[in-house]
Amino acid sequence: AQSVTQLGSHVSVSEGALVLLRCNYSSSVPPYLFWYVQYPNQGLQLLLKYTSAATLVKGINGFEAEFKKSETSFHLTKPSAHMSDAAEYFCAVTEGWNFVFGPGTRLSVLP
Amino acid sequence: DADVTQTPRNRITKTGKRIMLECSQTKGHDRMYWYRQDPGLGLRLIYYSFDVKDINKGEISDGYSVSRQAQAKFSLSLESAIPNQTALYFCATGGSEDTRYFGPGTRLTVL
Repeated sequence: AQSVTQLGSHVSVSEGALVLLRCNYSSSVPPYLFWYVQYPNQGLQLLLKYTSAATLVKGINGFEAEFKKSETSFHLTKPSAHMSDAAEYFCAVTEGWNFVFGPGTRLSVLP
Repeated sequence: DADVTQTPRNRITKTGKRIMLECSQTKGHDRMYWYRQDPGLGLRLIYYSFDVKDINKGEISDGYSVSRQAQAKFSLSLESAIPNQTALYFCATGGSEDTRYFGPGTRLTVL
């Protein structure tokens, strides 16, 4: 069965610094992969999705993620953090029709 | 108007009470899902429905039941609420295996 790990339940960065949120999955078969963002008191919003078209995926709000098959990873990055990026971020992969979610990483952005 | 709506947004109840959480969608999708979010555990699937006549248990269905009243409506019930059902509940829809659209969530507290 597929599983998703996100290293670091809480990540803090300074405003303007690089954001790096890590995601690894367990299956050797590249599924669809996703990053979702959850702002306070809101539902999950899709940031970006990997569907095998390109290994570097660009999403909304300046985020991007790179799929690395050899490392079974799909890390999320943003070159310069903004205060509005403070939220919880979830990595997810598909297993057939089902979505398997990681435990989430809470991102804090310090002024 | 939001594509996926959930009512209520917040609910506090007592142990043993019956609770119903409602979800409506305007996206025209056949597939609907109920998830539970707990800190550090990500989202876990409670029930899912691929059309009005199709209801299936997810990984954590014990203590829950659902009703698919129409293509657009999918309700989750807790027949006799218990404190460990305190969580954030999300409804989602999907038109295919690689999409999920989430509602804003219902925060449920069972005392």
